[in-house]
Amino acid sequence: DAMVIQNPRYQVTQFGKPVTLSCSQTLNHNVMYWYQQKSSQAPKLLFHYYDKDFNNEADTPDNFQSRRPNTSFCFLDIRSPGLGDAAMYLCATRSTGESQPQHFGDGTRLSIL
Amino acid sequence: GQNIDQPTEMTATEGAIVQINCTYQTSGFNGLFWYQQHAGEAPTFLSYNVLDGLEEKGRFSSFLSRSKGYSYLLLKELQMKDSASYLCAVRGNYNQGGKLIFGQGTELSVKP
Repeated sequence: DAMVIQNPRYQVTQFGKPVTLSCSQTLNHNVMYWYQQKSSQAPKLLFHYYDKDFNNEADTPDNFQSRRPNTSFCFLDIRSPGLGDAAMYLCATRSTGESQPQHFGDGTRLSIL
Repeated sequence: GQNIDQPTEMTATEGAIVQINCTYQTSGFNGLFWYQQHAGEAPTFLSYNVLDGLEEKGRFSSFLSRSKGYSYLLLKELQMKDSASYLCAVRGNYNQGGKLIFGQGTELSVKP
């Protein structure tokens, strides 16, 4: 059974039209991450939550926002998507402990028309 | 600066052994992870090294030398399904969130 679930798998939106991607987890992990990954590139961390503490990466555009209403759910909001925001968006979770790996969801592939 | 280097692509033959290298320069070191990522899918965790030496897990092994800033992933008895991208990721300075710095990945093609 999937433990990190991202919906939808594929999302199409129009240039400038706000879009929300969702992630849920059944692992009860403290930490949740959002990554952007473009073709043949490394995943790029946008932000992460440690419990309710939000940590934004310095180079994450203001256009990207996130919400974590509870332990299980985390949302990525793109306020005004541009063509350059077309990418795979990956959610990951992790429990505390140095050796604990990040567990990834299947991702949402976002297309911008 | 933070830098993770891996070869962009490699090709190997079914049944053979392949070694994928990773070198890193990071602010601090708190562990190195290897992930496998098939095209269009999420990365899946393969291995973790924090101390020098070899960690073996079935057909996959991972080696770390902290003094050299170097790791490799060794895949034995290659199968066609091993064709994927292999990502090396380092946890640099200690941070509560366990953030990782990813390399660009090595695209491995396994040929019959």
